[in-house]
Amino acid sequence: DVVMTQSPLSLPVTLGQSASVSCRSSQSLVHSDGNTYLSWFHQRPGQSPRRLLYKVSDRDSGVPDRFSGSASGTDFTLKISRVEAEDVGVYYCMQGTGWPYTFGPGTKLEI
Amino acid sequence: EVQLVESGGGLVQPGGSLRLSCAASGFTFSRYWMSWVRQAPGKGLEWVANINKDGSAQSYVDSMQGRFTVSRDNDKNSLYLQMNSLRVEDTAVYYCARNGGYTLDHWGQGTPVTVSS
Repeated sequence: DVVMTQSPLSLPVTLGQSASVSCRSSQSLVHSDGNTYLSWFHQRPGQSPRRLLYKVSDRDSGVPDRFSGSASGTDFTLKISRVEAEDVGVYYCMQGTGWPYTFGPGTKLEI
Repeated sequence: EVQLVESGGGLVQPGGSLRLSCAASGFTFSRYWMSWVRQAPGKGLEWVANINKDGSAQSYVDSMQGRFTVSRDNDKNSLYLQMNSLRVEDTAVYYCARNGGYTLDHWGQGTPVTVSS
């Protein structure tokens, strides 16, 4: 199975500042079709996960452009610019290239 | 609007069985693969199983193979997870999610399962 790791696991931030979450896969996530199936999810306390980004950097409808994703080899980054109070919660990366789908352990963002 | 509503969770003794359901609406259910994902208390997300569009093929994470069975009824727009021989470590919130292009694009609110004597 593809192992996903994340850092940091806890991320204290100041409102209005930027924050970055890193995710690393144990093997390449480039699919045979040429796409890289790395998604990011946000889970607020007591809620179900919500997808933010897919295919590394494509934003879901309604997701502010403060959220962006990038990749370099097997390293992936979620960047949140101008952190707002509603951004608190846990961020998970997930790979869909290999079988089974696997998630990172999560990064808890707190103000 | 895509909606996924899980039900059927509850308290069950070790070795017992439970059947979870997920009612889908707001999209053409039969056109999508579907998945179950679980989250143990205070822990991260773990993909459990998925099923193809017509229900003819299923995949499971190794630890649940043989104990869990995923199925669907496209006429009823419903997804199911039959869980047998439940263990304490199966205690979790179980989410159904829609598969969309090698990702999970919509999630339900989850149904809690507690396995305890």
